[in-house]
Amino acid sequence: NAGVTQTPKFQVLKTGQSMTLQCAQDMNHEYMSWYRQDPGMGLRLIHYSVGAGITDQGEVPNGYNVSRSTTEDFPLRLLSAAPSQTSVYFCASSLGTSLPQETQYFGPGTRLLVL
Amino acid sequence: AQKITQTQPGMFVQEKEAVTLDCTYDTSDQSYGLFWYKQPSSGEMIFLIYQGSYDEQNATEGRYSLNFQKARKSANLVISASQLGDSAMYFCAMLSNFNKFYFGSGTKLNVKP
Repeated sequence: NAGVTQTPKFQVLKTGQSMTLQCAQDMNHEYMSWYRQDPGMGLRLIHYSVGAGITDQGEVPNGYNVSRSTTEDFPLRLLSAAPSQTSVYFCASSLGTSLPQETQYFGPGTRLLVL
Repeated sequence: AQKITQTQPGMFVQEKEAVTLDCTYDTSDQSYGLFWYKQPSSGEMIFLIYQGSYDEQNATEGRYSLNFQKARKSANLVISASQLGDSAMYFCAMLSNFNKFYFGSGTKLNVKP
């Protein structure tokens, strides 16, 4: 198993550009999520999905869109990049969607710089 | 509102000694899960230990144990016999009853030889 994969590893954008961060998992996990990690603030949940066709907002959803057309893929779209979206983005997945909860498995992260 | 608080931005511990990393949480959920993750300087997130809110015994995983005090809403991580490789950021996290994860701001642990 490749686990959770994320592409690209690093990206530089100009303000106003759009892009999609890719996330895929090959563990047949139902639950997938996106986080951003800013210095000194830990990880904050952007969006999550409990299965194909089902998504919901987390703590900081503004400026981001998601969709879940398949169990394996959960792309994160930045509609119009802003410098405030400079961050490290992590995708994660887990098997179940209810407690008791198995751990989440994290991807390696994407470093995004918006100029 | 759900909240995770880690009050120790940085900690030092001597190699081979035990260390406790503090975590308090705030939730009105009856059922929730508590997690600890390690993030080395390389950046990946590594799962360490899990405690369910209805688990009566404290969770243990090798050198890691979780000191769960439900009434105080605390979930401290205890690392026994610290090793140089334990130097990293440590994050406490909570899964609410509504499928949302909340993370604390982290504690940077430095293990001194």
